[in-house]
Amino acid sequence: GIQVEQSPPDLILQEGANSTLRCNFSDSVNNLQWFHQNPWGQLINLFYIPSGTKQNGRLSATTVATERYSLLYISSSQTTDSGVYFCAVGQGKLTFGKGITLSVRP
Amino acid sequence: GAVVSQHPSRVICKSGTSVKIECRSLDFQATTMFWYRQFPKQSLMLMATSNEGSKATYEQGVEKDKFLINHASLTLSTLTVTSAHPEDSSFYICSASGGQEYFGPGTRLTVL
Repeated sequence: GIQVEQSPPDLILQEGANSTLRCNFSDSVNNLQWFHQNPWGQLINLFYIPSGTKQNGRLSATTVATERYSLLYISSSQTTDSGVYFCAVGQGKLTFGKGITLSVRP
Repeated sequence: GAVVSQHPSRVICKSGTSVKIECRSLDFQATTMFWYRQFPKQSLMLMATSNEGSKATYEQGVEKDKFLINHASLTLSTLTVTSAHPEDSSFYICSASGGQEYFGPGTRLTVL
């Protein structure tokens, strides 16, 4: 099956810093989503982005489907951005990466 | 956006008992729902695909007789963990397809 790799596995930022989270996938995909899992376990949809670039406030994402990767940008990070970020690919049944644990320190 | 609920949010049970977890799509109909399991510090792993009006499809290595899935309506799927054991303790999350995938808040199961 398709492999999804995320990097880096862990990231520690000072509040206000910017960061880039990467997701590589092993085969062509029709769907890619980025999620933020908060400390209570809730998965929050950030972006549905099979290709192209989208922005939502301080967050933006770019997927280059032909090169099989996606990037999530977080600008001016806040402590509330802490948590685990997952990318997932697939239609319906999703294959998740292992996640990136982000800690934003005040 | 679409809302998916799960009930209960947290359950503690004794070894050998059965536990039922409900997943509801609140504002849209979902012919297909998915059940995932997440162990601490790990990613989500798909367990099964729940199909309204037909049998669920289980991923390799998931025991269908242990994890019973019923998708009786277009807005409700249930997962029953039968004869639960401590190794079944995990975070169970459902999702429903509504264009993109929408996830429930999860159910934390602890088996003593």
